[in-house]
Amino acid sequence: SAVISQKPSRDICQRGTSLTIQCQVDSQVTMMFWYRQQPGQSLTLIATANQGSEATYESGFVIDKFPISRPNLTFSTLTVSNMSPEDSSIYLCSCRVSTDTQYFGPGTRLTVL
Amino acid sequence: AQKVTQAQTEISVVEKEDVTLDCVYETRDTTYYLFWYKQPPSGELVFLIRRNSFDEQNEISGRYSWNFQKSTSSFNFTITASQVVDSAVYFCALSGVTDSWGKLQFGAGTQVVVTP
Repeated sequence: SAVISQKPSRDICQRGTSLTIQCQVDSQVTMMFWYRQQPGQSLTLIATANQGSEATYESGFVIDKFPISRPNLTFSTLTVSNMSPEDSSIYLCSCRVSTDTQYFGPGTRLTVL
Repeated sequence: AQKVTQAQTEISVVEKEDVTLDCVYETRDTTYYLFWYKQPPSGELVFLIRRNSFDEQNEISGRYSWNFQKSTSSFNFTITASQVVDSAVYFCALSGVTDSWGKLQFGAGTQVVVTP
């Protein structure tokens, strides 16, 4: 298994600002992912964070809005840029371990006013 | 494209009743994984089980059991003798080889409410 931590756990931000969310895994993993969960909804994949290369974004998500870094095999960041109230969601990072199971971090609850 | 359907939006039961959550999936992959996750009110996503497409054995873990039937593309989850702590949203998810290995397609989730 893997233990994942995220910072911050929650934040309230003003419209037009940016927030960077950090994700730390307790072991080296190849694949890390970022998901968004809008209020009362299921999880939607934003992007796959690849170490040493650019992130791969899903349809509907762009790098300018959600830049992602993956400097090493245990750490990734997601920035939510130029925020609007529609960005209010839970943002979760996950990693895939050798058993092909994905484990999730505790999530970052973001409220944009 | 892959798709996961959880038709039950919410299920309410009284403690000690059994509850079964349905999950139906669609995929063109012959190799894939199915998962169940639990999301309690605190928000974290807790891994419950992973099943690969070649293993149709049913599984039991304590009060939890899973019924995988490839013929009907279903992977149903039963909680026996439910408890208040089982109150949560439960998600079924699918990961296949075609659409980027490791990427999870989630169902809409089923809210389980267990009352004393």
